[in-house]
Amino acid sequence: GAGVSQSPSNKVTEKGKDVELRCDPISGHTALYWYRQSLGQGLEFLIYFQGNSAPDKSGLPSDRFSAERTGGSVSTLTIQRTQQEDSAVYLCASSLGGISTDTQYFGPGTRLTVL
Amino acid sequence: AQTVTQSQPEMSVQEAETVTLSCTYDTSESDYYLFWYKQPPSRQMILVIRQEAYKQQNATENRFSVNFQKAAKSFSLKISDSQLGDAAMYFCAYRSGRGSQGNLIFGKGTKLSVKP
Repeated sequence: GAGVSQSPSNKVTEKGKDVELRCDPISGHTALYWYRQSLGQGLEFLIYFQGNSAPDKSGLPSDRFSAERTGGSVSTLTIQRTQQEDSAVYLCASSLGGISTDTQYFGPGTRLTVL
Repeated sequence: AQTVTQSQPEMSVQEAETVTLSCTYDTSESDYYLFWYKQPPSRQMILVIRQEAYKQQNATENRFSVNFQKAAKSFSLKISDSQLGDAAMYFCAYRSGRGSQGNLIFGKGTKLSVKP
């Protein structure tokens, strides 16, 4: 595939459960970003991976949120003990090198609903 | 901290007409980049146009152009000859020119409707 892919497309879970969201970036892209899109807050940055550098976690809203990127490619965003306010669309993006001039290409997102 | 403001939650345009979406931003940086992204109902964010702050010339991409006013910190998007497929949410976004600041900062979006 040529684009960023995300799975699942939709996820419904019960409050208190853990969820994992997956992102496959464009092949060769070294930078990967997670954003959250919710009705009240718009699009918010969560976390940024660039190559082998330590990730920028400054956007993570609480310690229930974590992410990892294995082998510099696929990334997983994990939300522990989900709350209703975690309901949102989670978007992943990747770019070639992570420098300011690079275009970020987005995936279709995962819609998370916490009941 | 940088902020991006889109003051028009919704806009409407007649097919084939021209519409302008507004965006203002606040920053103390001199080196940065500005973007307009389109998000159709499929949720996929698509880059429409980008502008480097150091360039005085306004960016254009076919029917899409921007009016970049650096001193006023304004970055509006003009869509000419609007088409039904232009109907979507449009987000204005800012990115710092500092290499360590990788993320985009988004406005809250403008929902554009196109009337046939």
